[in-house]
Amino acid sequence: GAGVSQSPSNKVTEKGKDVELRCDPISGHTALYWYRQSLGQGLEFLIYFQGNSAPDKSGLPSDRFSAERTGGSVSTLTIQRTQQEDSAVYLCASTNQGNTEAFFGQGTRLTVV
Amino acid sequence: AQSVTQLDSHVSVSEGTPVLLRCNYSSSYSPSLFWYVQHPNKGLQLLLKYTSAATLVKGINGFEAEFKKSETSFHLTKPSAHMSDAAEYFCVVTGGNKLVFGAGTILRVKS
Repeated sequence: GAGVSQSPSNKVTEKGKDVELRCDPISGHTALYWYRQSLGQGLEFLIYFQGNSAPDKSGLPSDRFSAERTGGSVSTLTIQRTQQEDSAVYLCASTNQGNTEAFFGQGTRLTVV
Repeated sequence: AQSVTQLDSHVSVSEGTPVLLRCNYSSSYSPSLFWYVQHPNKGLQLLLKYTSAATLVKGINGFEAEFKKSETSFHLTKPSAHMSDAAEYFCVVTGGNKLVFGAGTILRVKS
């Protein structure tokens, strides 16, 4: 597609449920990032995928968070046993190389009630 | 390791006056630096980027930034603020695996 696509755009879930957030990067982009933006906070790095290399998971806040990138394209961020503090906007970005600009999706607004 | 410090969490200017949003960075690599803008309930949009070419970088909507290695700064400026510039601005550094974001500066433009 023309840009980074994220789905769903909004998700309301009950505390304790699992959620999956999807990111469809720009075709041909080798790098993919997930960030989290909480109300009044900056952007918090979660995970980074680059080609076939092992992902950089150093930003995942707990073992309830995991992400996959299948076939070097679509990525899914999974949050298990959601907590209220997981409520945030989850942003995905893709880029062609490490030093060129990243293109961001519109984000998924997750609300845990 | 890379880090970014945006020196002001909020900046308020009058329409038609200059804008200065300050950013200092730290990087173990030769950095690439970016400014992104986020309007309310919108996605992040790239304003401009520095990737070791010209130190004065011009971006969209009249914004520009100057890379000063000696001061490890990459401040964002605009000669004359417009109401539509009201948004949150993020300074970003990369040189390794990840994009590192500053905490953001909220720009308010008064009429």
